[in-house]
Amino acid sequence: ETGVTQTPRHLVMGMTNKKSLKCEQHLGHNAMYWYKQSAKKPLELMFVYNFKEQTENNSVPSRFSPECPNSSHLFLHLHTLQPEDSALYLCASSQGKVYQETQYFGPGTRLLVL
Amino acid sequence: KQEVTQIPAALSVPEGENLVLNCSFTDSAIYNLQWFRQDPGKGLTSLLLIQSSQREQTSGRLNASLDKSSGRSTLYIAASQPGDSATYLCAVEDGANNLFFGTGTRLTVIP
Repeated sequence: ETGVTQTPRHLVMGMTNKKSLKCEQHLGHNAMYWYKQSAKKPLELMFVYNFKEQTENNSVPSRFSPECPNSSHLFLHLHTLQPEDSALYLCASSQGKVYQETQYFGPGTRLLVL
Repeated sequence: KQEVTQIPAALSVPEGENLVLNCSFTDSAIYNLQWFRQDPGKGLTSLLLIQSSQREQTSGRLNASLDKSSGRSTLYIAASQPGDSATYLCAVEDGANNLFFGTGTRLTVIP
């Protein structure tokens, strides 16, 4: 256990559905991240939050909407997704801003868009 | 744009062997480099982080080296064990706080 939890672990949704992914870290960290891992592609960084403020949005489509209500929780709201959005979505946290600190990853949410 | 390559894509070795995983990157202007392992159905575990000013980091049976000028890093695993079987990813951070991952090397250690 890394101290980072993600729910749900698996999610199947239609293209017209709205769903949310949740990430929670119990490590007292200040930075949190969303990553997307597609089959046979490198891991892609999607969003970065530092002290609840979004510091990066790597050209992610607006159908993905992050929310960080506090330093311990991070959400990824999903709506009108496409089949190509099917992937493993990983959440991570680190003590300090961005990547100078070791990142701790959650187990991921396996998303399938039909 | 930074490109990170890991070769080989898959590797099988008998238990007890020492092995080396390779990572190369196209832009040497990096801030740091990390090695991760990913187990099936689980998230990533950070193994080692090397700052750009460092040449290597060690943790137990793992040793990671960094040669910025040639754009290379290696992860050395000594006395491999079946529990080392996983996918190993390297990632580099550039000066603009962008993080780039390789596609990984899938390691199988055969008992």
